[in-house]
Amino acid sequence: DTAVSQTPKYLVTQMGNDKSIKCEQNLGHDTMYWYKQDSKKFLKIMFSYNNKELIINETVPNRFSPKSPDKAHLNLHINSLELGDSAVYFCASSESVYGSQHFGDGTRLSIL
Amino acid sequence: EDQVTQSPEALRLQEGESSSLNCSYTVSGLRGLFWYRQDPGKGPEFLFTLYSAGEEKEKERLKATLTKKESFLHITAPKPEDSATYLCAVRKGGGADGLTFGKGTHLIIQP
Repeated sequence: DTAVSQTPKYLVTQMGNDKSIKCEQNLGHDTMYWYKQDSKKFLKIMFSYNNKELIINETVPNRFSPKSPDKAHLNLHINSLELGDSAVYFCASSESVYGSQHFGDGTRLSIL
Repeated sequence: EDQVTQSPEALRLQEGESSSLNCSYTVSGLRGLFWYRQDPGKGPEFLFTLYSAGEEKEKERLKATLTKKESFLHITAPKPEDSATYLCAVRKGGGADGLTFGKGTHLIIQP
């Protein structure tokens, strides 16, 4: 069983479109995160959710919005996609805000 | 500003040739230093968490150590399957922050 799973694995779309990436964890963790890995392979935190509440929100454009229907899911919605949004997006979860984080295998987003 | 710097950026070793990867950090109120391994096309895989200076952790051929300014990941007698990018990350105190990552060390072990 995959602990943290993301769909889709690849997403190719046009500039200006709206898209969503889904994330599910079956570890029973309380906290979930979204990270962005750019072309230089640099991982940067975007959001985290603890018990369905947004607890950090780094300086990302408001075109990005996390949505958590329940503790096991944290989806990422992106409006009006731009060329600079091309990257690999990783979802992660941890038992608590101080626990070690476990990552999914990423969603590679390409904007044409 | 919190910073995590890893060196070298890339390292090529022969099978069995031991070496160390460095992670230096400047962060206020460290609440954990993490080591991850990342294979191509995969997400980071958790290896170790270190919390205080002097702490050491081992797993197979890997050993992580921590001082007040840096951490080392020692690789003893590596095998080709140890080839990967090794990422260092810190979590600072003050609340539920995400991790701040370094840029990683790309390690290649040649048979």
